[in-house]
Amino acid sequence: SAVISQKPSRDICQRGTSLTIQCQVDSQVTMMFWYRQQPGQSLTLIATANQGSEATYESGFVIDKFPISRPNLTFSTLTVSNMSPEDSSIYLCSADTGTSGGKTQYFGPGTRLLVL
Amino acid sequence: QKEVEQNSGPLSVPEGAIASLNCTYSDRGSQSFFWYRQYSGKSPELIMSIYSNGDKEDGRFTAQLNKASQYVSLLIRDSQPSDSATYLCAVKEGGADGLTFGKGTHLIIQP
Repeated sequence: SAVISQKPSRDICQRGTSLTIQCQVDSQVTMMFWYRQQPGQSLTLIATANQGSEATYESGFVIDKFPISRPNLTFSTLTVSNMSPEDSSIYLCSADTGTSGGKTQYFGPGTRLLVL
Repeated sequence: QKEVEQNSGPLSVPEGAIASLNCTYSDRGSQSFFWYRQYSGKSPELIMSIYSNGDKEDGRFTAQLNKASQYVSLLIRDSQPSDSATYLCAVKEGGADGLTFGKGTHLIIQP
């Protein structure tokens, strides 16, 4: 398994501002992922972050709104840009661990974001 | 579009009984299947992973996979009040892919 930490754990932000969320894994991993969980909803994949290449975004998510960095094999950041109240969610990062025959994703504790 | 379907519940089960949670998925190319447990205000915690047809047991938990029917289930034996949570079914198509989640089933174990 992997131990994943996120910072900040929560934040309250004003609309129009940006917030960068950090994700740290305790071991080197190839793939990291960012998810959003809106209030009362399940998790939705935002993007996949592979070290050394551009992040791959899911339908409905764009790089200008959610820029992602992946500078090394243990760290990634997600920025929520030009925030609006609709961006109020829990943002979770995850990492794949295990062999190619059976990779498993573990999640960080999440960042709870409230946009006023 | 990939879809994962779960009954949202709530599913109420007496303490000590077997809880049965079900999930269907639309993408026949899916290769990996997971059950996560999520307590209110917490992040998802991995309960079981299953990659091939059949049953996989881990303690009180058994995951069942039927790729022909595109069906995954989770059985919880000897249910405890601490098992009360939302159970998320998640599916992965390939090794480098993210997870597609169902909406989750809210399970309540009644003492």
